[in-house]
Amino acid sequence: EAGVVQSPRYKIIEKKQPVAFWCNPISGHNTLYWYLQNLGQGPELLIRYENEEAVDDSQLPKDRFSAERLKGVDSTLKIQPAELGDSAVYLCASSQRWQGNSADTQYFGPGTRLTVL
Amino acid sequence: ELKVEQNPLFLSMQEGKNYTIYCNYSTTSDRLYWYRQDPGKSLESLFVLLSNGAVKQEGRLMASLDTKARLSTLHITAAVHDLSATYFCAVAHTSGTYKYIFGTGTRLKVLA
Repeated sequence: EAGVVQSPRYKIIEKKQPVAFWCNPISGHNTLYWYLQNLGQGPELLIRYENEEAVDDSQLPKDRFSAERLKGVDSTLKIQPAELGDSAVYLCASSQRWQGNSADTQYFGPGTRLTVL
Repeated sequence: ELKVEQNPLFLSMQEGKNYTIYCNYSTTSDRLYWYRQDPGKSLESLFVLLSNGAVKQEGRLMASLDTKARLSTLHITAAVHDLSATYFCAVAHTSGTYKYIFGTGTRLKVLA
């Protein structure tokens, strides 16, 4: 079974430039998450999708960040314009929908390492 | 506000020794997860703990959950070098606003 796919794996841009990350979740997983991970820290949730609906985007800096999940499968996360402080690893994860006592274990992609110069 | 703390943050241990990583969280939780992350790699799910008293074991790692104390432990038995990685706990809280909060991580280094 293919895992969560992300691209690109690495991205270097200058500040004020736009950047976009792409994620393809595990087939059949309804829930998709975008996280930001700074060096030496745990991931921080940016946005969570149930199918195509963003059900939790309270941590997404909406002035410069946007995300979409068309048709409830692939998703893109965009930053425009990027700032120096956005340098981090952006992780995508997917899971099946929580149902009763089933565990909605998240499966993570390899991440995109963004460097803003 | 849901907060998740791990300790220690760094752990250097000799092969063959036992040790425990602790994960404390501040409010009630539906379930607790443990993940492993190798340098430059993504997170790998290790355990999911769903109820008070739950215990899961895989190889040299054993995780337990005490919901009354809001504490989970990850115990390492007879450590080997391959266990060197960063270990994260994550707490899920789905009553009201959904929360999924990761701990600070414990960087484990097992010395040969």
